Amino acid sequence: NAGVTQTPKFQVLKTGQSMTLQCAQDMNHEYMSWYRQDPGMGLRLIHYSVGAGITDQGEVPNGYNVSRSTTEDFPLRLLSAAPSQTSVYFCASSPRATEAFFGQGTRLTVV
Amino acid sequence: KQEVTQIPAALSVPEGENLVLNCSFTDSAIYNLQWFRQDPGKGLTSLLLIQSSQREQTSGRLNASLDKSSGRSTLYIAASQPGDSATYLCAVFNYGGATNKLIFGTGTLLAVQP
Repeated sequence: NAGVTQTPKFQVLKTGQSMTLQCAQDMNHEYMSWYRQDPGMGLRLIHYSVGAGITDQGEVPNGYNVSRSTTEDFPLRLLSAAPSQTSVYFCASSPRATEAFFGQGTRLTVV
Repeated sequence: KQEVTQIPAALSVPEGENLVLNCSFTDSAIYNLQWFRQDPGKGLTSLLLIQSSQREQTSGRLNASLDKSSGRSTLYIAASQPGDSATYLCAVFNYGGATNKLIFGTGTLLAVQP
């Protein structure tokens, strides 16, 4: 039982490049979400999903896309990376609106 | 709009002291409240989850309390150890449909001096 697995752990992108951050959970949780963590700003919700095929926007969705084709996977796509997207990204899952479990994070730098 | 505040932002104590971390929230219509620990460069580790109907939860040297009516939660750490040094975050789940919206405070950075 691996919990929530995020890949990659580190990534450097050039401005304008696109990439996908992967998130997988093996706990059969319905809810999954993506947060970004910035100094002085805390964790902010980007997108979330309450089940396969259902996604919705969080607090800071611009520049990001998500999809949820399976219960296990919830990838986050950066369409055209910008320096403002330099951050640490966390994926989380939970059975419903109960205890949330987080991955180890992806540290992204956009130059 | 729910806002979560944690005071103090940083705290330094000598080893062995008991300490209290504070978390306040502006909207009392929460589903539950969760305390996390984050070590530098690492992910978030869940410490305690308090349902809205509960008043407190305990795990080892940790005790978390919840007072919904006043919009407050505290995390009590007994007999602190250098290994407790980390950032502690609180987060609330709000009512608002079947959604997963954890709203976080900005954390308290705890340093326990040996």
